[in-house]
Amino acid sequence: GDSVTQMEGPVTLSEEAFLTINCTYTATGYPSLFWYVQYPGEGLQLLLKATKADDKGSNKGFEATYRKETTSFHLEKGSVQVSDSAVYFCALGNTGGFKTIFGAGTRLFVKA
Amino acid sequence: NAGVMQNPRHLVRRRGQEARLRCSPMKGHSHVYWYRQLPEEGLKFMVYLQKENIIDESGMPKERFSAEFPKEGPSILRIQQVVRGDSAAYFCASSPDPDQPQHFGDGTRLSIL
Repeated sequence: GDSVTQMEGPVTLSEEAFLTINCTYTATGYPSLFWYVQYPGEGLQLLLKATKADDKGSNKGFEATYRKETTSFHLEKGSVQVSDSAVYFCALGNTGGFKTIFGAGTRLFVKA
Repeated sequence: NAGVMQNPRHLVRRRGQEARLRCSPMKGHSHVYWYRQLPEEGLKFMVYLQKENIIDESGMPKERFSAEFPKEGPSILRIQQVVRGDSAAYFCASSPDPDQPQHFGDGTRLSIL
């Protein structure tokens, strides 16, 4: 079945460091791909999305490119801030269905 | 435009009691999804509903758990005879159609004494 695998956390970085959180997926058909962020005590918020191969989603300095050949959707940010500390979830939406499948989440800590 | 509203934010129950969790979707959204999140874990899909219909309940435990989304009013996730293992955060999400990204509420944190 469809699945999402993302790198285990926690990831600890210093402020202004470069961030990469890896995400790979297995899916039939042509899914949409999402990154969600969850701040402490809150629900998930959509961070960015890409709906087809080679699309690049971007928001708040974060980027991810839909790579069909490597079935990946890695999240990157050039310079992280303390306020980026959160849990990040990669997710897959099957455009032919209705279920969004989430990865296990990667916790990011950014130190000042 | 209010987001997805869940209440209560925190719910404490004793073993054997019933827990009712409510979710009002965003205006214009008729698709509702419930997820469970255990501490330090990801989200596990429980059930997907569209007004008055359960579309997919493949993630819902077969016993004690039920969900509804009536024509009027919020969606309800009901857990009967709660046990300690039911302690978790329960999130509701909604979307205008199943191909659109889901918008999440802030969750209900259920604690079982």
